[in-house]
Amino acid sequence: KQEVTQIPAALSVPEGENLVLNCSFTDSAIYNLQWFRQDPGKGLTSLLLIQSSQREQTSGRLNASLDKSSGRSTLYIAASQPGDSATYLCAVKWGRGSTLGRLYFGRGTQLTVWP
Amino acid sequence: AAGVIQSPRHLIKEKRETATLKCYPIPRHDTVYWYQQGPGQDPQFLISFYEKMQSDKGSIPDRFSAQQFSDYHSELNMSSLELGDSALYFCASSLGPSYNEQFFGPGTRLTVL
Repeated sequence: KQEVTQIPAALSVPEGENLVLNCSFTDSAIYNLQWFRQDPGKGLTSLLLIQSSQREQTSGRLNASLDKSSGRSTLYIAASQPGDSATYLCAVKWGRGSTLGRLYFGRGTQLTVWP
Repeated sequence: AAGVIQSPRHLIKEKRETATLKCYPIPRHDTVYWYQQGPGQDPQFLISFYEKMQSDKGSIPDRFSAQQFSDYHSELNMSSLELGDSALYFCASSLGPSYNEQFFGPGTRLTVL
């Protein structure tokens, strides 16, 4: 069964800290993996997309890594700010058979950055 | 840059009523996906279309149907609404169904009373 797990479920840190969010998945034969940000009651904003052939992607203060063999991805946020407070979701696309294209989401990590 | 457009943004219906949600993908995107996110839950895949044909089907109730039109916009039709259908419904689009990034719309919040 294809599942995505995120830990921790919630994280509260002071402003300025560097932090790591974890995502694990059950089947290493992925097409790609996306990290999203979701503000309360709002839509999903795509942060980073890592293709299966890539090891990491960077955008500003965000860096996402992918280790297919161990079934893990991490999202690194540098110098966190209160504006980073949101829920971060990891989503995996597997391409087996008829399930090509759909994303499987983790439950997310709810991040609070306090001043 | 143009984004995925969903309408309406909010919808309130009574039990057993019907609802139609619309999704307009990013221009040139030929693939549309629908997801449902219940309160405190992760988004769950419902159904997708590629080039106006259903390409994948997830946990979509039989009361729901969807289609993609010639201009690539998509509609999700929901009948005999139940309280448990209250959720945030997302549409996403991509260029092709496989390797490319999915871009999500702002969602339609459906409340069933």
